Amino acid sequence: QVQLQESGPGLVKPSETLSLTCTVSGGSISGYYWSWIRQPPGRGLEWIAYIYDSGRTDYNPSLKSRLTISVDTSKKQFSLKLSSVTAADTAVYYCARHDGSSWLYWGQGTLVTVSS
Amino acid sequence: DIQMTQSPSSLSASVGDRVTITCRASQSISSYLNWYQQKPGKAPKLLISDASSLQTGVPSRFSGSGSGTDFTLTISSLQPEDFATYYCQQFYSTPYTFGQGTTLEIK
Repeated sequence: QVQLQESGPGLVKPSETLSLTCTVSGGSISGYYWSWIRQPPGRGLEWIAYIYDSGRTDYNPSLKSRLTISVDTSKKQFSLKLSSVTAADTAVYYCARHDGSSWLYWGQGTLVTVSS
Repeated sequence: DIQMTQSPSSLSASVGDRVTITCRASQSISSYLNWYQQKPGKAPKLLISDASSLQTGVPSRFSGSGSGTDFTLTISSLQPEDFATYYCQQFYSTPYTFGQGTTLEIK
Protein backbone atom coordinates (compact mmCIF):
# COMPACT_ATOMS: atom_id res chain seq x y z
CA GLN A 1 0.00 0.00 0.00
CA VAL A 2 1.42 3.35 -1.06
CA GLN A 3 1.96 5.73 1.84
CA LEU A 4 3.10 9.35 1.85
CA GLN A 5 4.41 11.19 4.89
CA GLU A 6 5.08 14.90 5.12
CA SER A 7 7.77 16.18 7.47
CA GLY A 8 9.23 19.52 8.41
CA PRO A 9 9.02 22.35 10.93
CA GLY A 10 5.58 23.18 12.22
CA LEU A 11 6.50 26.80 12.91
CA VAL A 12 8.25 29.20 10.56
CA LYS A 13 8.98 32.87 11.14
CA PRO A 14 7.70 35.51 8.74
CA SER A 15 10.07 36.26 5.84
CA GLU A 16 11.85 32.92 6.30
CA THR A 17 11.69 29.81 4.11
CA LEU A 18 9.24 26.99 4.66
CA SER A 19 10.79 23.59 3.90
CA LEU A 20 8.87 20.32 3.73
CA THR A 21 9.71 16.81 2.60
CA CYS A 22 7.39 14.04 1.49
CA THR A 23 8.63 10.47 1.89
CA VAL A 24 7.09 7.74 -0.24
CA SER A 25 6.81 4.16 0.97
CA GLY A 26 5.13 1.03 -0.31
CA GLY A 27 5.67 1.96 -3.92
CA SER A 28 8.03 3.52 -6.42
CA ILE A 29 8.67 7.23 -6.73
CA SER A 30 9.76 6.75 -10.31
CA GLY A 31 7.26 7.02 -13.12
CA TYR A 32 4.84 9.25 -11.26
CA TYR A 33 4.01 12.90 -10.86
CA TRP A 34 3.96 14.19 -7.30
CA SER A 35 2.13 17.27 -6.06
CA TRP A 36 2.01 19.60 -3.10
CA ILE A 37 -1.40 20.94 -2.08
CA ARG A 38 -2.26 23.20 0.85
CA GLN A 39 -5.30 24.17 2.88
CA PRO A 40 -5.41 27.20 5.16
CA PRO A 41 -7.30 26.54 8.40
CA GLY A 42 -11.03 26.45 7.76
CA ARG A 43 -10.62 27.14 4.06
CA GLY A 44 -10.41 25.37 0.72
CA LEU A 45 -7.68 23.54 -1.15
CA GLU A 46 -4.97 25.06 -3.31
CA TRP A 47 -2.63 23.19 -5.63
CA ILE A 48 0.96 24.39 -5.20
CA ALA A 49 3.15 22.50 -7.66
CA TYR A 50 4.08 19.14 -9.11
CA ILE A 51 7.29 17.35 -9.97
CA TYR A 52 8.05 14.28 -12.07
CA ASP A 53 10.82 11.86 -11.25
CA SER A 54 12.90 13.35 -14.07
CA GLY A 55 12.74 16.70 -12.33
CA ARG A 56 10.13 18.21 -14.64
CA THR A 57 8.09 20.71 -12.65
CA ASP A 58 5.03 22.93 -12.91
CA TYR A 59 4.19 25.62 -10.38
CA ASN A 60 1.08 27.56 -9.47
CA PRO A 61 1.74 31.03 -10.92
CA SER A 62 0.42 32.61 -7.73
CA LEU A 63 3.36 31.11 -5.82
CA LYS A 64 5.94 30.49 -8.54
CA SER A 65 8.32 33.30 -7.65
CA ARG A 66 8.77 31.90 -4.13
CA LEU A 67 8.74 28.18 -4.87
CA THR A 68 11.32 25.47 -5.38
CA ILE A 69 10.37 21.82 -5.64
CA SER A 70 12.85 18.98 -5.99
CA VAL A 71 13.00 15.19 -5.98
CA ASP A 72 15.51 12.68 -4.64
CA THR A 73 14.61 9.33 -6.16
CA SER A 74 17.32 7.48 -4.21
CA LYS A 75 15.67 8.50 -0.95
CA LYS A 76 12.13 8.24 -2.37
CA GLN A 77 11.52 11.81 -1.30
CA PHE A 78 10.41 15.06 -2.85
CA SER A 79 10.62 18.47 -1.25
CA LEU A 80 9.05 21.90 -1.20
CA LYS A 81 10.67 25.21 -0.36
CA LEU A 82 8.55 28.35 -0.11
CA SER A 83 10.46 31.53 0.56
CA SER A 84 9.48 34.86 2.14
CA VAL A 85 6.54 33.39 3.98
CA THR A 86 3.79 35.42 5.60
CA ALA A 87 0.83 34.55 7.79
CA ALA A 88 -1.11 33.86 4.59
CA ASP A 89 1.07 30.79 4.07
CA THR A 90 -0.18 29.20 7.29
CA ALA A 91 -1.86 26.01 6.16
CA VAL A 92 -1.96 22.25 6.28
CA TYR A 93 0.40 21.10 3.54
CA TYR A 94 -0.32 17.81 1.79
CA CYS A 95 1.72 15.77 -0.65
CA ALA A 96 -0.09 13.56 -3.14
CA ARG A 97 0.59 11.19 -6.03
CA HIS A 98 -0.92 11.67 -9.45
CA ASP A 99 -2.80 8.62 -10.66
CA GLY A 100 -4.00 9.27 -14.19
CA SER A 101 -5.79 12.58 -13.86
CA SER A 102 -6.47 12.58 -10.14
CA TRP A 103 -4.82 12.33 -6.71
CA LEU A 104 -5.55 8.94 -5.19
CA TYR A 105 -2.81 8.79 -2.58
CA TRP A 106 -2.34 11.62 -0.09
CA GLY A 107 -0.19 12.20 2.93
CA GLN A 108 -1.90 12.89 6.22
CA GLY A 109 -0.93 16.55 6.02
CA THR A 110 1.26 18.71 8.19
CA LEU A 111 0.28 22.04 9.70
CA VAL A 112 2.75 24.83 9.15
CA THR A 113 2.17 28.02 11.11
CA VAL A 114 3.90 31.24 10.14
CA SER A 115 4.40 33.34 13.23
CA SER A 116 7.12 35.18 15.07
CA ASP B 1 -6.89 29.93 -14.35
CA ILE B 2 -10.00 27.79 -14.60
CA GLN B 3 -12.51 28.76 -11.92
CA MET B 4 -14.57 26.01 -10.34
CA THR B 5 -17.85 27.00 -8.73
CA GLN B 6 -19.74 24.59 -6.50
CA SER B 7 -23.29 24.88 -5.29
CA PRO B 8 -24.60 24.89 -2.74
CA SER B 9 -21.87 25.93 -0.32
CA SER B 10 -23.65 24.09 2.45
CA LEU B 11 -26.51 21.66 2.60
CA SER B 12 -28.56 20.23 5.45
CA ALA B 13 -30.01 16.80 4.81
CA SER B 14 -31.23 13.71 6.61
CA VAL B 15 -30.08 10.12 6.55
CA GLY B 16 -31.69 8.45 3.57
CA ASP B 17 -32.03 11.63 1.52
CA ARG B 18 -30.86 11.92 -2.05
CA VAL B 19 -28.54 14.88 -2.53
CA THR B 20 -26.94 16.49 -5.53
CA ILE B 21 -23.97 18.85 -5.57
CA THR B 22 -23.15 20.76 -8.71
CA CYS B 23 -19.86 22.05 -10.02
CA ARG B 24 -19.38 24.44 -12.90
CA ALA B 25 -16.11 25.19 -14.66
CA SER B 26 -15.35 28.58 -16.18
CA GLN B 27 -14.37 26.86 -19.43
CA SER B 28 -14.67 23.41 -20.87
CA ILE B 29 -12.60 20.80 -19.05
CA SER B 30 -13.87 17.79 -20.99
CA SER B 31 -14.22 15.07 -18.33
CA TYR B 32 -11.16 16.02 -16.29
CA LEU B 33 -13.18 16.48 -13.14
CA ASN B 34 -12.68 14.77 -9.80
CA TRP B 35 -14.72 14.69 -6.60
CA TYR B 36 -13.14 14.44 -3.15
CA GLN B 37 -14.64 13.94 0.30
CA GLN B 38 -12.93 15.50 3.29
CA LYS B 39 -13.64 14.93 6.95
CA PRO B 40 -12.27 17.17 9.72
CA GLY B 41 -8.57 16.70 10.33
CA LYS B 42 -8.19 14.28 7.43
CA ALA B 43 -6.77 14.43 3.94
CA PRO B 44 -9.23 14.55 1.07
CA LYS B 45 -10.35 11.18 -0.23
CA LEU B 46 -10.86 10.61 -3.95
CA LEU B 47 -14.40 9.44 -4.65
CA ILE B 48 -14.84 9.89 -8.38
CA SER B 49 -12.32 10.58 -11.13
CA ASP B 50 -12.82 11.60 -14.74
CA ALA B 51 -16.30 12.89 -13.92
CA SER B 52 -17.96 9.51 -13.47
CA SER B 53 -15.46 6.78 -12.55
CA LEU B 54 -16.16 5.50 -9.06
CA GLN B 55 -13.01 4.66 -7.16
CA THR B 56 -12.49 1.15 -5.81
CA GLY B 57 -14.05 0.78 -2.41
CA VAL B 58 -16.32 3.80 -2.69
CA PRO B 59 -19.98 2.88 -2.09
CA SER B 60 -22.19 2.72 -5.16
CA ARG B 61 -24.55 5.31 -3.66
CA PHE B 62 -22.04 7.88 -4.93
CA SER B 63 -22.20 8.76 -8.60
CA GLY B 64 -20.87 11.50 -10.84
CA SER B 65 -21.90 12.84 -14.19
CA GLY B 66 -21.27 15.64 -16.63
CA SER B 67 -18.77 16.86 -19.14
CA GLY B 68 -17.63 20.15 -20.57
CA THR B 69 -18.49 22.76 -17.93
CA ASP B 70 -21.29 21.25 -15.83
CA PHE B 71 -20.91 18.36 -13.42
CA THR B 72 -22.85 16.75 -10.60
CA LEU B 73 -22.12 14.52 -7.64
CA THR B 74 -25.11 12.56 -6.40
CA ILE B 75 -25.46 10.58 -3.21
CA SER B 76 -28.51 8.38 -3.63
CA SER B 77 -29.23 7.63 0.02
CA LEU B 78 -27.25 9.53 2.63
CA GLN B 79 -25.57 7.53 5.34
CA PRO B 80 -24.24 8.94 8.62
CA GLU B 81 -20.64 8.62 7.45
CA ASP B 82 -21.35 10.81 4.39
CA PHE B 83 -21.60 14.02 6.36
CA ALA B 84 -18.44 15.80 5.29
CA THR B 85 -17.17 18.47 2.92
CA TYR B 86 -17.04 17.71 -0.79
CA TYR B 87 -14.76 19.34 -3.34
CA CYS B 88 -14.71 19.22 -7.09
CA GLN B 89 -11.35 19.67 -8.81
CA GLN B 90 -10.28 20.10 -12.42
CA PHE B 91 -7.29 18.27 -13.86
CA TYR B 92 -7.62 19.73 -17.36
CA SER B 93 -4.86 22.29 -17.06
CA THR B 94 -2.52 23.82 -14.53
CA PRO B 95 -2.91 25.47 -12.17
CA TYR B 96 -5.20 22.68 -11.05
CA THR B 97 -8.09 24.25 -9.17
CA PHE B 98 -10.75 23.22 -6.70
CA GLY B 99 -14.28 24.33 -6.04
CA GLN B 100 -14.83 26.14 -2.76
CA GLY B 101 -16.39 23.07 -1.17
CA THR B 102 -19.86 21.94 -0.14
CA THR B 103 -20.39 21.10 3.51
CA LEU B 104 -23.02 18.45 4.03
CA GLU B 105 -24.60 18.70 7.48
CA ILE B 106 -27.10 16.61 9.35
CA LYS B 107 -30.57 18.11 9.47
